[in-house]
Amino acid sequence: DGGITQSPKYLFRKEGQNVTLSCEQNLNHDAMYWYRQDPGQGLRLIYYSQIVNDFQKGDIAEGYSVSREKKESFPLTVTSAQKNPTAFYLCASSIDWTAGAEAFFGQGTRLTVV
Amino acid sequence: GESVGLHLPTLSVQEGDNSIINCAYSNSASDYFIWYKQESGKGPQFIIDIRSNMDKRQGQRVTVLLNKTVKHLSLQIAATQPGDSAVYFCAGPDTKDTNAGKSTFGDGTTLTVKP
Repeated sequence: DGGITQSPKYLFRKEGQNVTLSCEQNLNHDAMYWYRQDPGQGLRLIYYSQIVNDFQKGDIAEGYSVSREKKESFPLTVTSAQKNPTAFYLCASSIDWTAGAEAFFGQGTRLTVV
Repeated sequence: GESVGLHLPTLSVQEGDNSIINCAYSNSASDYFIWYKQESGKGPQFIIDIRSNMDKRQGQRVTVLLNKTVKHLSLQIAATQPGDSAVYFCAGPDTKDTNAGKSTFGDGTTLTVKP
């Protein structure tokens, strides 16, 4: 089955620690995205990658970092610099970077800082 | 600010009734809109999209209407079923950054279907 997989589903982190969220897709998509979702709110773009070896900051990139060394993988690191990291994180991919391309989402990772 | 936004955060309908979820946008140059459905604890799923050269598009039990004059679009769900209970998002071009693939999402409408 083709799809996009995020792991883990739930993640707990102590304050001051960095943590990395995994995102893998086997759809052969060029573009990948990370969104943050807070309760009762829409999706806010953290980082995006139009193509392998490239990535750009989204609207709320501070305290986060990414890499895109392989086409199928786009891991997100939540650093200790992120002031309020508890949230639901969604990874998505689309076939390319054209306007209006359908985004395919993973099932999300719920991060809680304890 | 946001390029798309929803009118109502919640909507409750009786099973079998039709549902209408609304969305407004600010940029008259927006050339596409996409509706997504997000079930509890899951990622959003594509429902239907519409391009600016269309006024209406139909899918299976869903219809999207685009009114460019008042910059408004709606998602209509016919014969709403319990499985339609979810949060519905409209998404459109990011007006703050015209970079082609960037979309912005509204805050979502939570649809609850009563048996």
